[in-house]
Amino acid sequence: ETGVTQSPTHLIKTRGQQVTLRCSSQSGHNTVSWYQQALGQGPQFIFQYYREEENGRGNFPPRFSGLQFPNYSSELNVNALELDDSALYLCASSLAAGESAGELFFGEGSRLTVL
Amino acid sequence: GENVEQHPSTLSVQEGDSAVIKCTYSDSASNYFPWYKQELGKRPQLIIDIRSNVGEKKDQRIAVTLNKTAKHFSLHITETQPEDSAVYFCAVREGKLIFGAGTRLAVHP
Repeated sequence: ETGVTQSPTHLIKTRGQQVTLRCSSQSGHNTVSWYQQALGQGPQFIFQYYREEENGRGNFPPRFSGLQFPNYSSELNVNALELDDSALYLCASSLAAGESAGELFFGEGSRLTVL
Repeated sequence: GENVEQHPSTLSVQEGDSAVIKCTYSDSASNYFPWYKQELGKRPQLIIDIRSNVGEKKDQRIAVTLNKTAKHFSLHITETQPEDSAVYFCAVREGKLIFGAGTRLAVHP
């Protein structure tokens, strides 16, 4: 059984650029959630994908978008990067969505620095 | 939406002492309350969780208590060890997981 894997692990971008982060969910999991964790803070929910459809979104602007593929892997795209987007981006997978989701399994994260 | 408050933000204890971290939440419909441990530069990892039909759950040195009436739940770590040093996050599920701001626990030998 493979765990949640994310890529890249670290990246540096400049303001206004675009970034794509990738996540492979744990084997057998059909739900992927993305979180933003700023330094010294708790993870903040960005959105969740269940069976290739967005299934809930947090308080993030439309320039944060995502995709889930038929194999349940997922991408997070951020356009028009701002300095405040600098954070650790965590992907988490689970067996299901909503109230029956059970445990979330996190990847190691992608650390984004925006200069 | 759900609001989760976590206290204290930092906690320093001597090895062997107990540590208690408390979280309060606002949505009485919430029914799942996990605790995650995050070591420096690592992913958050689930250490214990509790559902709303249970008041207490224990796993070796770690326990969680839930008071649904008062809408708070607490993490208890007994006989702390230096390897318990980490940031601990509580969370509440309202469809998705909403996390507290975290507690940085330092256990001194």
